[in-house]
Amino acid sequence: QSALTQPASVSGSPGQSITISCTGTSSDVGGYNYVSWYQQHPGKAPKLMIYDVSNRPSGVSNRFSGSKSGNTASLTISGLQAEDEADYYCSSYTSSSTLEVVFGGGTKLTVL
Amino acid sequence: QVQLVESGGGVVQPGRSLRLSCAASGFTFSSYGMHWVRQAPGKGLEWVAVIWYDGSNKYYADSVKGRFTISRDNSKNTLYLQMNSLRAEDTAVYYCARDVGRISSGWYPNWYFDLWGRGTLVTVSS
Repeated sequence: QSALTQPASVSGSPGQSITISCTGTSSDVGGYNYVSWYQQHPGKAPKLMIYDVSNRPSGVSNRFSGSKSGNTASLTISGLQAEDEADYYCSSYTSSSTLEVVFGGGTKLTVL
Repeated sequence: QVQLVESGGGVVQPGRSLRLSCAASGFTFSSYGMHWVRQAPGKGLEWVAVIWYDGSNKYYADSVKGRFTISRDNSKNTLYLQMNSLRAEDTAVYYCARDVGRISSGWYPNWYFDLWGRGTLVTVSS
């Protein structure tokens, strides 16, 4: 079982907005602003989409946004496009003694 | 161009060893922390290890602690992962990933990965 909880799948139609949640604890998501989000297309390496909860790297569309409330972080994609169909993973620093970084189990986004 | 290229993966028997390499180019490798992240077939991402920009600190996931060793050679712009006592559950694509870090009474990782390699597949099987 992954340390961070994400829905297994979400879907939306082109042009719509969707939100993917990522729930952790006060030892990770809730305790630090080191939450990041990654997009992964089949057979490809992950790509950084959001870092430090809500910051977008240069080159990432402003249709992607991040936020956090308590122990839950969220990734919102507005104006869905076909190329957004991919797996999305959240990640956070953790003060757990077992590891330094935890990932969510991943969410499969389907663009209908 | 700016890139990371992993190599060294393959098929290995349980209990044996393997060393992965990650060659960096297009940026000042010695200024960045580096991580290894793995992904078992059809599964999610799992963080494996981190090394500071100068090699001064290293941390590992419990699942590999005592068996894997992360290291780097800044003169060769290369990151390594020495994997010993391999198990079937270590089967995965192994990615190296860059961490730009931050300065706050010393250098610390940012704990996010802004550049990834394409990965190298390690299969542990008899």
